Amino acid sequence: AQSVTQLGSHVSVSEGALVLLRCNYSSSVPPYLFWYVQYPNQGLQLLLKYTTGATLVKGINGFEAEFKKSETSFHLTKPSAHMSDAAEYFCAVSDLDTGRRALTFGSGTRLQVQP
Amino acid sequence: DAGVTQSPTHLIKTRGQQVTLRCSPKSGHDTVSWYQQALGQGPQFIFQYYEEEERQRGNFPDRFSGHQFPNYSSELNVNALLLGDSALYLCASSDGTGALRPQHFGDGTRLSIL
Repeated sequence: AQSVTQLGSHVSVSEGALVLLRCNYSSSVPPYLFWYVQYPNQGLQLLLKYTTGATLVKGINGFEAEFKKSETSFHLTKPSAHMSDAAEYFCAVSDLDTGRRALTFGSGTRLQVQP
Repeated sequence: DAGVTQSPTHLIKTRGQQVTLRCSPKSGHDTVSWYQQALGQGPQFIFQYYEEEERQRGNFPDRFSGHQFPNYSSELNVNALLLGDSALYLCASSDGTGALRPQHFGDGTRLSIL
């Protein structure tokens, strides 16, 4: 069974600092990987996704993530944090090989941005 | 272009009752998935509907059931409510069932069980 582990339930950075949110996955075959953001009292919004091809994926709002098969990781980064980036971030995986099209989510990382 | 809409936004029920949550997919989408998000947790997949049939199901008991209508809207029904059913219920729609089809989420229904 596939699973997703997000290291660090809370991450705090200063405005302008680098954002690094960690995600490791467990899957029998290379999966499709996603990062979603959730603002308070809202649903989830897709930031970016990795399917095949280029391992560095660029998303919305200046975020990007790199798929590293050898490390089974898909960490999310942003060079310079903005106050508006404060939210909950979820890494998710979809395993095509088993026919599972549903998303399996990690437990989330809450990002705080200090002024 | 309306996105995914869910109703109601908040709901309070007592143990043992039954509840129905509703979802209208984004225009042009024909597939609806339901997720349960407990406080402080990531969403967990309940089931997915396409062509009015349940296509895939997560690890949820039979108390959780659903329906999809010809206009692609969907309902989630939960019977014999337990305290542990308190959560945010998210509906996501997509164009088709493939994993590459991006899922668009609604803002959810907050269900509280007393």
